[in-house]
Amino acid sequence: EDQVTQSPEALRLQEGESSSLNCSYTVSGLRGLFWYRQDPGKGPEFLFTLYSAGEEKEKERLKATLTKKESFLHITAPKPEDSATYLCAVQAPGETSGSRLTFGEGTQLTVNP
Amino acid sequence: NAGVMQNPRHLVRRRGQEARLRCSPMKGHSHVYWYRQLPEEGLKFMVYLQKENIIDESGMPKERFSAEFPKEGPSILRIQQVVRGDSAAYFCASSPLKLGEQYFGPGTRLTVT
Repeated sequence: EDQVTQSPEALRLQEGESSSLNCSYTVSGLRGLFWYRQDPGKGPEFLFTLYSAGEEKEKERLKATLTKKESFLHITAPKPEDSATYLCAVQAPGETSGSRLTFGEGTQLTVNP
Repeated sequence: NAGVMQNPRHLVRRRGQEARLRCSPMKGHSHVYWYRQLPEEGLKFMVYLQKENIIDESGMPKERFSAEFPKEGPSILRIQQVVRGDSAAYFCASSPLKLGEQYFGPGTRLTVT
């Protein structure tokens, strides 16, 4: 069974204090790893897709990287508006099940001014 | 391009009533997914549909839950005889392809009293 584990569960940073969120996964034949941002009371907002080890994607203060067993979401000089829950999800092979996303529990990030 | 639309945003039902949740995918997207987020838990896959077909319903409870995506109109997630444990946020997502990123709607928050 596919498993996704995110750490830490919660993270508090001061504005400008860079850090990383971790997503480790157990899946046979990764088809894609996805990062989402979720604000309270809203649906997940798509951030990045990574397909193969060594791949990196960047968007503003966020950078996502992928290895064979885990992914990191690096946050550089965060601002209070980066406060949200960050979700990691994987897609794995399967004729019918291959489209579903398996999510981790998320990391709740708070950035204090 | 309008995003994924869900209605209602909030739904209150008494135990034993029926709940109908609607989802209109993004324009050009023919793949629809339903996920459930229970309080203090992560997002869990329920069902994957294409027009007029259920592709994967392995995450959906066998009883009381059903889903459809007719040729015309929105996708519907139907919960019969709701119980308190059905209280959750239900999210719909859509994608243009079978694999790859999925785009989420704002969710329907179901409360069973």
